[in-house]
Amino acid sequence: SQTIHQWPATLVQPVGSPLSLECTVEGTSNPNLYWYRQAAGRGLQLLFYSIGIDQISSEVPQNLSASRPQDRQFILSSKKLLLSDSGFYLCAWSRENTEAFFGQGTRLTVV
Amino acid sequence: KQEVTQIPAALSVPEGENLVLNCSFTDSAIYNLQWFRQDPGKGLTSLLLIQSSQREQTSGRLNASLDKSSGRSTLYIAASQPGDSATYLCAVNMIYNQGGKLIFGQGTELSVKP
Repeated sequence: SQTIHQWPATLVQPVGSPLSLECTVEGTSNPNLYWYRQAAGRGLQLLFYSIGIDQISSEVPQNLSASRPQDRQFILSSKKLLLSDSGFYLCAWSRENTEAFFGQGTRLTVV
Repeated sequence: KQEVTQIPAALSVPEGENLVLNCSFTDSAIYNLQWFRQDPGKGLTSLLLIQSSQREQTSGRLNASLDKSSGRSTLYIAASQPGDSATYLCAVNMIYNQGGKLIFGQGTELSVKP
């Protein structure tokens, strides 16, 4: 069966520090991968999606970037965090136009 | 631009009650619609996926219906239990979006009282 792992679960970082969140999927190959952000009391906003290695699309302009160094690994990064980057970050995977599965999320607090 | 709305934003019911959560969308060009459950501080758990050609899907005490032409989906929960307390989110996958990207509603926060 397929599983998705996301870490760390919580993170407190100072303004201006770098960020690296990791997500890996097991039990499938060539998945579509996604990074979403959920602000307090609001729905999920898609940040990045990837349909293959070296195929990453950004949905909103921001201080973040994404990379896919391996088929089942998706990384969310920032060189310098802003206060506005605080939020709950969720990684997800799916096969094209089928059910999506989410990780347990990372609570990021920028102080 | 697709907009997904969930009403009510919050709902409190006594244990044992049958309830309906609503999800509406403005653009009917959807590939499918998915219902999720989110416990506080946790990720999303997939509950049901309905393809655009389907009218409903069932899993245990949950039944989701889809009326694509009117832009509506409902999630029916039978004999609610305190363990059903969570936020329920619906999301649509548009035909013209590459990559299976989901557009989410704001969610309905459900509280089932013992």
